[in-house]
Amino acid sequence: GEDVEQSLFLSVREGDSSVINCTYTDSSSTYLYWYKQEPGAGLQLLTYIFSNMDMKQDQRLTVLLNKKDKHLSLRIADTQTGDSAIYFCAESKNNNDMRFGAGTRLTVKP
Amino acid sequence: GAVVSQHPSWVICKSGTSVKIECRSLDFQATTMFWYRQFPKQSLMLMATSNEGSKATYEQGVEKDKFLINHASLTLSTLTVTSAHPEDSSFYICSAREVYEQFFGPGTRLTVL
Repeated sequence: GEDVEQSLFLSVREGDSSVINCTYTDSSSTYLYWYKQEPGAGLQLLTYIFSNMDMKQDQRLTVLLNKKDKHLSLRIADTQTGDSAIYFCAESKNNNDMRFGAGTRLTVKP
Repeated sequence: GAVVSQHPSWVICKSGTSVKIECRSLDFQATTMFWYRQFPKQSLMLMATSNEGSKATYEQGVEKDKFLINHASLTLSTLTVTSAHPEDSSFYICSAREVYEQFFGPGTRLTVL
């Protein structure tokens, strides 16, 4: 089946930038998402990007999409301890059938 | 953004009992809701797609007789885990679709003793 892959762990120092990477295999993906999950909680949509876009910026968050390489990244500028969480990459064709990566656990050290 | 609630947030039950989990879209109508299951330190696995007024569509490998889904209104979908067993213990998350976005509930942690 189609896969979404992410590295499992990322550790950064407070104030640094974090870059979380994701690759996917389905070239017909239309929507690509980044979700944040804090311990014991559901998923919070951080941002999403359409496949016809290369970049989207929202305050401290920057999403880059390389459609040719099927590579998505999330950059968090000036990472804070409150950003510590699990970040899920997801893709779908039609906002129905979403496929999630395994999640990247971001740890921010003071 | 839109808000999706789940009730209960956690439940502990004995093996063999049935548990119902509710998913509500609080400030929008959702013709489509989704039920996911998340194992510890793993990603979300889509269990089924719930459409208002019709039968749910289950993913391969998900037992429809064990995980009963009802989507009786545009703001409520329920998942009933029938005759629960310890292997059903998990974090169950619902989501509701509004246009381009899926909004997720906070999840329900089910522990079956």
